[in-house]
Amino acid sequence: AQTIHQWPVAEIKAVGSPLSLGCTIKGKSSPNLYWYWQATGGTLQQLFYSITVGQVESVVQLNLSASRPKDDQFILSTEKLLLSHSGFYLCAWSPLGEGEQYFGPGTRLTVL
Amino acid sequence: QQQVRQSPQSLTVWEGETAILNCSYENSAFDYFPWYQQFPGEGPALLIAIRSVSDKKEDGGFTIFFNKREKNLSLHIKDSQPGDSATYFCAASDNNNRIFFGDGTQLVVKP
Repeated sequence: AQTIHQWPVAEIKAVGSPLSLGCTIKGKSSPNLYWYWQATGGTLQQLFYSITVGQVESVVQLNLSASRPKDDQFILSTEKLLLSHSGFYLCAWSPLGEGEQYFGPGTRLTVL
Repeated sequence: QQQVRQSPQSLTVWEGETAILNCSYENSAFDYFPWYQQFPGEGPALLIAIRSVSDKKEDGGFTIFFNKREKNLSLHIKDSQPGDSATYFCAASDNNNRIFFGDGTQLVVKP
């Protein structure tokens, strides 16, 4: 069975500080990977997707970047956090060529 | 322009009733429509999905009715239980790795 793990579970950071969030998929080779952002009580906004190692496509510009250093790993980062970065960050995967996406447990980020 | 719209924003039903959640979309190229269930503090879970070649999909107590001509669909939750209380998101995809979510319907099932 496939499992998706996100780290950290929650983070409290200062404005202007750097950030790195991670996501790992186990039990599935070469999945499509995705990053989403969700404001409290809000909808899900797709940020990035990756269909292969080393290749990442940006969907929206939020002063964030993403990388896929390994087949099973997806990293979201920024060098300088803004207050508007606060929210719930979700990683998701889908089988290659399929439409359904499966979400991880998320990381709650609070920027003060 | 919002690609996927959901109504109502919130819905309250009694235990045992059928909850009906509505969704409409703009882009005729969308061909895959998943519904997700999300509990507070958790990631969304895929509940049921339909492709545009079908007009109905059933899975347990969940049914999607799809109208391609009108560009709308609905999720029916039969025999609703308090444990079904959650936020439900309708989404649409054109299989280009882009998926658009609605704003969600917050469902409350009263015992």
